Amino acid sequence: QTVVTQEPSFSVSPGGTVTLTCALSSGSVSSNYYPTWYQQTPGQAPRTLMYNVNTRSSGVPDRFSGSILGNKAALTITGAQADDESSYYCGLYMGNGISIFGGGTKLTVL
Amino acid sequence: EVQLLESGGGLVQPGGSLRLSCVASGFTFSIYSMAWVRQPPGKGLEWVSTFGRTTGTYYADSVKGRFTISRDNSKNTLFLQMNSLRAEDTAVYYCAKRVAEPFYFDYWGQGTLVTVSS
Repeated sequence: QTVVTQEPSFSVSPGGTVTLTCALSSGSVSSNYYPTWYQQTPGQAPRTLMYNVNTRSSGVPDRFSGSILGNKAALTITGAQADDESSYYCGLYMGNGISIFGGGTKLTVL
Repeated sequence: EVQLLESGGGLVQPGGSLRLSCVASGFTFSIYSMAWVRQPPGKGLEWVSTFGRTTGTYYADSVKGRFTISRDNSKNTLFLQMNSLRAEDTAVYYCAKRVAEPFYFDYWGQGTLVTVSS
């Protein structure tokens, strides 16, 4: 069974930089899996933040960036703000119509 | 403006059935794949099923044989028929629009809560 692993939690100071990662149990994450990042605050629906590794969705500030770091997908927030405090989910497309999500990272800004 | 509005959630006993609906607006529904994604209380997102625009239907192993995804393009509506429901199916169910090449979910509904309990 394929598992996508993210850090369960992370903390960053306001104005700081943090990198969240997304690993695949079956091997390396590459652009072939179309890594996507979703942001979710409590009680709200997910919001698509970053797709196709490093393309920001409309309206997403440029302090958010995506990349492949080694064998993982990564989401970097540069200059974190209080309203970045959310859960972040990595999603991968496995082919044949199948998608998979990571367990999510709860980001605290303090 | 893209809008996805789910309905049909509620309380159902184990072994029971429920049918979810998702009415879409603001885009040409028929040319996009659509999906259901769920989130158990306090937990992460889990992909459930996708109805491909031309490529058929796909299911997570956890729901295969119990859930059926369908769509009515004339009514811009996506459905999820859920049978033989279990306690572990308790979740908020989100409808999502899926883009192809690159493959990702670009718009999400607000979700409908399904509770399976006796």
